[in-house]
Amino acid sequence: DVVLTQTPSTSSATIGQSVSISCRSSQSLLDSAGNTYLYWYLQRPGQSPQLLIYLVSSLESGVPNRFSGSGSGTDFTLKISGVEAEDLGVYYCMQATHVPYTFGTGTKLELK
Amino acid sequence: QVQLKESGPGLVQPSQTLSLTCTVSGLSLTSNSVSWIRQPPGKGLEWMGVIWSNGGTDYNSAIKSRLRIGRDTSKSQVFLKMNSLQTEDTAIYFCARNYYSDYWGQGVMVTVSS
Repeated sequence: DVVLTQTPSTSSATIGQSVSISCRSSQSLLDSAGNTYLYWYLQRPGQSPQLLIYLVSSLESGVPNRFSGSGSGTDFTLKISGVEAEDLGVYYCMQATHVPYTFGTGTKLELK
Repeated sequence: QVQLKESGPGLVQPSQTLSLTCTVSGLSLTSNSVSWIRQPPGKGLEWMGVIWSNGGTDYNSAIKSRLRIGRDTSKSQVFLKMNSLQTEDTAIYFCARNYYSDYWGQGVMVTVSS
């Protein structure tokens, strides 16, 4: 199974600060058709996860453009350009290139 | 408006079978896949499996032998059945639209305990 390792496990930020979260895969997520099925989610406390980014870098409808995704192969990054209070929670990456699909280990974003 | 809602027993005894239902609205099960994901208390997300729009399924290899996902398209319902439950199966169980989970239900807490 594909293992997704997220770093850091916890990130402390002030409002307005930019932060980056890394997601590293144990296998390439590029499939034979040239697609990379890497997604990012935010789970706020007490809520269900919310899709932020799909297919590495596409912003889900309604998600603020301070969120951006990048990467290829085995290394991916989620960047928040100017953290706001509503961004606090746990971020997960997920791969859907290889069955079984797998989630990353999670990164908790908290206020400094 | 797309909605998914999980339902099922809050408490299951060890070694018994868990049966959960995901009732959907605002989407067709013959055009959309539905995923099941679970989250043990205080821990991360675990992908369990998916039922595709054609009725085919894929499962997490770690629980594949215990898990079955099915559906009733006429009732807009997706079912999860998992047998031989143990305490480590205690978790919030979510259903979500599509293999990439763009819409999620609120989740249902399931406790495995005698």
